Amino acid sequence: QSALTQPASVSGSPGQSITISCTGTSSDVGGYNYVSWYQQHPGKAPKLMIYDVSNRPSGVSDRFSGSKSGNTASLTISGLQAEDEADYYCSSYTSSITYVFGTGTKVTVL
Amino acid sequence: EVQLVESGGGLVKPGGSLRLSCAASGFPFNSAWMSWVRQAPGKGLEWVGRIKSKGGGETTDYAAPVNGRFHISRDDSQNTLYLEMNSLKTEDTAIYFCSWSGLNYFNSWGQGTLVTVAS
Repeated sequence: QSALTQPASVSGSPGQSITISCTGTSSDVGGYNYVSWYQQHPGKAPKLMIYDVSNRPSGVSDRFSGSKSGNTASLTISGLQAEDEADYYCSSYTSSITYVFGTGTKVTVL
Repeated sequence: EVQLVESGGGLVKPGGSLRLSCAASGFPFNSAWMSWVRQAPGKGLEWVGRIKSKGGGETTDYAAPVNGRFHISRDDSQNTLYLEMNSLKTEDTAIYFCSWSGLNYFNSWGQGTLVTVAS
């Protein structure tokens, strides 16, 4: 199972919006509404930010939103803040009854 | 408050074995699906495997690179998750995280334990 494809890096200025893409296949992202997103600061454990494509766990800022079209899922961060600088990973359930993560995207706040 | 605390990591030679533990608290462990996810130094996340609750038959599923070498188990009386790793390879070197899994996502994570496979 190959990793889902994410851009290596995305950057934006404070207050701007950025979008991170996550591209898979019809056997994972495109086949199920089971895409989730994780934020990981250096040396820390990942944190769930979005589940089931577009749902936010309680406590996660509404500046984070998720969507999906075909085999590509997206995470949008609006009103970018310094604390959003981190690595972000998508994940999807697959037809092999396994899970696959994305390659990861480093978000830089300029 | 949900807490997941991994332990058991360390240095092991190629071909060796190691057992990791994950002590859980703050949520109904006996009904929880639990997963292991690893992260090689400086690399991305990789799903290792999952065990369903007893009510789900304690079914296990594994990623292809570890299938047949790794075994996940649980002790609900001790609120503890285990990962038995055999025939370890240098490419198994990583931080191993345990996670309380939702149906198809990873809800809460521990801080991880480092496993280094080297001669």
